[in-house]
Amino acid sequence: NAGVMQNPRHLVRRRGQEARLRCSPMKGHSHVYWYRQLPEEGLKFMVYLQKENIIDESGMPKERFSAEFPKEGPSILRIQQVVRGDSAAYFCASSPGTGGRLADEQFFGPGTRLTVL
Amino acid sequence: AQTVTQSQPEMSVQEAETVTLSCTYDTSENNYYLFWYKQPPSRQMILVIRQEAYKQQNATENRFSVNFQKAAKSFSLKISDSQLGDTAMYFCAFTFRTGANNLFFGTGTRLTVIP
Repeated sequence: NAGVMQNPRHLVRRRGQEARLRCSPMKGHSHVYWYRQLPEEGLKFMVYLQKENIIDESGMPKERFSAEFPKEGPSILRIQQVVRGDSAAYFCASSPGTGGRLADEQFFGPGTRLTVL
Repeated sequence: AQTVTQSQPEMSVQEAETVTLSCTYDTSENNYYLFWYKQPPSRQMILVIRQEAYKQQNATENRFSVNFQKAAKSFSLKISDSQLGDTAMYFCAFTFRTGANNLFFGTGTRLTVIP
């Protein structure tokens, strides 16, 4: 059973370009979370999605950032018109969300390190 | 607002010795889970141990154990018989038992195990 997959692992963009980060949850998991880790800081929650629904986006910047988790395919975190301050590691986590003691346990992917030049 | 505080940015321990990492948190909720995550140089987030707030008994996982003081909102991690592979960043985190379940993280403690 493969773990949470994220790609690319490293992404370099110039200011003003778009960045698309992909996350494939663990098999059987229907809940996806995105977190951002700035250098020398802890992870900060961005958005929580279930299939085809955004449940909580309270941690997402209001502009330039969007996320989706379609019925088929990976979850996508999209950053438009990137700026240097977007440089960070972006982690995806998934959970089964089907009830029970471990329903909420989150399994993390390896992260995507975004560098904006 | 929910906050997690790790007051030790860096710590070191001699191999085979014991070290304790501290964590305090603040929430008005009563139903939550607490976690310690390890982030080695590979940057992968690895769950070390979890504690359910309604349980009084402290969680243990092999060499890792916690000291959970609910009234004091304290959740420290003890690593016994430290190994070189324990060198990593350690993050304390919590999530509510109901609702969105997103994790709130502290700023981390960088632990170095010295051979």
